[in-house]
Amino acid sequence: QKEVEQDPGPLSVPEGAIVSLNCTYSNSAFQYFMWYRQYSRKGPELLMYTYSSGNKEDGRFTAQVDKSSKYISLFIRDSQPSDSATYLCAMRDRGSTLGRLYFGRGTQLTVWP
Amino acid sequence: DAGVTQSPTHLIKTRGQQVTLRCSPKSGHDTVSWYQQALGQGPQFIFQYYEEEERQRGNFPDRFSGHQFPNYSSELNVNALLLGDSALYLCASSLNFGGEQFFGPGTRLTVL
Repeated sequence: QKEVEQDPGPLSVPEGAIVSLNCTYSNSAFQYFMWYRQYSRKGPELLMYTYSSGNKEDGRFTAQVDKSSKYISLFIRDSQPSDSATYLCAMRDRGSTLGRLYFGRGTQLTVWP
Repeated sequence: DAGVTQSPTHLIKTRGQQVTLRCSPKSGHDTVSWYQQALGQGPQFIFQYYEEEERQRGNFPDRFSGHQFPNYSSELNVNALLLGDSALYLCASSLNFGGEQFFGPGTRLTVL
């Protein structure tokens, strides 16, 4: 079992839709949770960064962390064609592997006009 | 403010050859991490450099080695290339080893 599981999609939605992206994980030591956006053949771009459980909102993006269920989500409201990309969840712990990020395989999202 | 830069952008090598990839961190950052991203997969951690030393390492063989220079820039070296080493190699920099990681555009390595 991989430490971070993410449905690769692809996910295709119309412009203006609400998008829900999810990851599950097995390591209860994970404390920091991130979402990255990666356009084709580019490096990942940090979108959201949260610590422990709870919600964080930034514009059209909301990140949720449920540590009891080992489940994290990213919601995108009023989705735009420019949101079309691969979304990667990532996480890390506070222990000896503090600097190491564990990634899901990414969900490919297409928003059509 | 320049972000993370990597060179070269693309590289084609044959099996058995050696390759060196380079990374310059974001201004003010002192830590560099390297990741390998195979097609359709998430990035996999190779190793991290802080204060010119390898601080931690992922599950990669010794063919993968690195270096960090006093100006915090870094190199990734891969010896005895295999077909399976074909991937996008990403460099990420951060302020100390626990900080938020910002990624460069990557170097796409193709091994024939």
